[in-house]
Amino acid sequence: GQQLNQSPQSMFIQEGEDVSMNCTSSSIFNTWLWYKQEPGEGPVLLIALYKAGELTSNGRLTAQFGITRKDSFLNISASIPSDVGIYFCAGTFWDSNYQLIWGAGTKLIIKP
Amino acid sequence: NAGVTQTPKFRVLKTGQSMTLLCAQDMNHEYMYWYRQDPGMGLRLIHYSVGEGTTAKGEVPDGYNVSRLKKQNFLLGLESAAPSQTSVYFCASSSLHRAGEKLFFGSGTQLSVL
Repeated sequence: GQQLNQSPQSMFIQEGEDVSMNCTSSSIFNTWLWYKQEPGEGPVLLIALYKAGELTSNGRLTAQFGITRKDSFLNISASIPSDVGIYFCAGTFWDSNYQLIWGAGTKLIIKP
Repeated sequence: NAGVTQTPKFRVLKTGQSMTLLCAQDMNHEYMYWYRQDPGMGLRLIHYSVGEGTTAKGEVPDGYNVSRLKKQNFLLGLESAAPSQTSVYFCASSSLHRAGEKLFFGSGTQLSVL
């Protein structure tokens, strides 16, 4: 079936650094989504992307829908302690019905 | 505004025991979902519902049953728990199934099967 490859699996960064993570697939997606999960909570939607090439920001977060429709990127600028958590990409595609699949997540840890 | 509420938050079962997880949403959403989350893996869809009285299988439905008798509630049942069902379970709801994008999640249920 469809799979999303999300990388990196985890990131150790210093406060103030910029962060980049991405998701790739061998198949085309209609929509790319980025969620954040904080400890003990469910994921929360950060950004939704609907068109190839689309670039969308949400505060210090910026995400892009790849031109090939097979990948997406999330950047976080000037990281702060509250950015810690697991970031998930997800994508939707049509296969007899609408499907939503998830990447394995990128765990963001900020070094003290 | 409570959003999506899951009960219980934690549960320990012995192999072979049964239990039901309850999900309630107060946003009048048509669509509800049950996911499981395991370390190093993304969220995997167990079952979902596109409206009151309807249910459908997701990616990993075996060993689980669901019911949606009321629009606001979605129940997940384990008839005979197995250690492989140790996981964190999340319920979610949305108002747009086709997009399936803006899912609102509960805070999860940590289930351990011994």
